[in-house]
Amino acid sequence: NAGVTQTPKFQVLKTGQSMTLQCAQDMNHNSMYWYRQDPGMGLRLIYYSASEGTTDKGEVPNGYNVSRLNKREFSLRLESAAPSQTSVYFCASSPGWGRGKSNYGYTFGSGTRLTVV
Amino acid sequence: QQPVQSPQAVILREGEDAVINCSSSKALYSVHWYRQKHGEAPVFLMILLKGGEQKGHEKISASFNEKKQQSSLYLTASQLSYSGTYFCGTESLGAGGTSYGKLTFGQGTILTVHP
Repeated sequence: NAGVTQTPKFQVLKTGQSMTLQCAQDMNHNSMYWYRQDPGMGLRLIYYSASEGTTDKGEVPNGYNVSRLNKREFSLRLESAAPSQTSVYFCASSPGWGRGKSNYGYTFGSGTRLTVV
Repeated sequence: QQPVQSPQAVILREGEDAVINCSSSKALYSVHWYRQKHGEAPVFLMILLKGGEQKGHEKISASFNEKKQQSSLYLTASQLSYSGTYFCGTESLGAGGTSYGKLTFGQGTILTVHP
């Protein structure tokens, strides 16, 4: 099925451990985003990639790094996990931005539920 | 700054109507609306690009007042399937006149529809 695939779906980490969340889309979208969702906070942007080969910080980038491996894949890495990073992480993609592309919304992956103990 | 949604929660009976508001302190280029069921990913409902634009999707429609930096989502004759959390996502142009498609989401409005 066409869409955005995230792995893993669930993960428990100990404080200080590292891990990479994977995201891949098969819709030939240019832009990809990582959000975290916490109760009562809505979705907050961690990092984004406006197009292949570019990445930039969002609202809450501290403690994270990203890699836009190719047009399809955008990974999020936690180098040293902290309890404050316990959250649900969503990857999203869109055709892009600018003329003719802004009429489309995001397609979200199913999310990764991360617990840091 | 996050846009502010109101109300935070609303409870309806099937067939009743609801309005969810989204207000931003920043000039807006577009407003998106999404619905999220418990334990699932948000799903795109609609996007509004022009000031004063109103769009519809079955019995769900929305308006966008660019001057007031506000958008409203209208749900008419609600159905059980409308239950979920509704988020607005706002897009503002940066200093260079671009947004790169980034959205800032409101905190969400929980809609519960009872039989």
